[in-house]
Amino acid sequence: AQSVSQHNHHVILSEAASLELGCNYSYGGTVNLFWYVQYPGQHLQLLLKYFSGDPLVKGIKGFEAEFIKSKFSFNLRKPSVQWSDTAEYFCAVNAKMDSSYKLIFGSGTRLLVRP
Amino acid sequence: DSGVTQTPKHLITATGQRVTLRCSPRSGDLSVYWYQQSLDQGLQFLIQYYNGEERAKGNILERFSAQQFPDLHSELNLSSLELGDSALYFCASSVGQESYEQYFGPGTRLTVT
Repeated sequence: AQSVSQHNHHVILSEAASLELGCNYSYGGTVNLFWYVQYPGQHLQLLLKYFSGDPLVKGIKGFEAEFIKSKFSFNLRKPSVQWSDTAEYFCAVNAKMDSSYKLIFGSGTRLLVRP
Repeated sequence: DSGVTQTPKHLITATGQRVTLRCSPRSGDLSVYWYQQSLDQGLQFLIQYYNGEERAKGNILERFSAQQFPDLHSELNLSSLELGDSALYFCASSVGQESYEQYFGPGTRLTVT
């Protein structure tokens, strides 16, 4: 079955540290990939997306992600995190299942940035 | 603000009861999706409606049902509620039916006591 794996469930960093959150998916067909962020008490917001073209995509707030097809990965990165990046991050894959497309989410990674 | 609205924001009810959650999609979006977010199950897709018709089904229980009305707003009905149904229920919308780029609402927090 199609699935999305986020390896780190909890990450704690100090401000200015670099961030990389792992995401792997299992799906052999064409995929669209997303990273969503959920700030405490808020709804999910789209950080960035990959549909096709340049595998290095840039999103909002200085985030970027790289699609590596051979590794079925779509890792999220940020060179220097801020306290305001404290949130939960979800990787998601839009995949065709049972003749319709569904957005499958990973289990999420909670990021705590210490000032 | 994503443009997707959900009401109510919070709902507290007892086991065995029935509740209705409401969602209005972004202007111009024809698809509405419902998700359940709980601590043990994570974010789970429940069901999608596109222009009034059911388009895709996920892990939705038989006690749950949804519909999308001609004005495109959607309602999620949860009946015979159990303690385990306590969760955050999100609605999302997108322009087309293939769930590219969904926009999420603020959610309804349901507490079943």
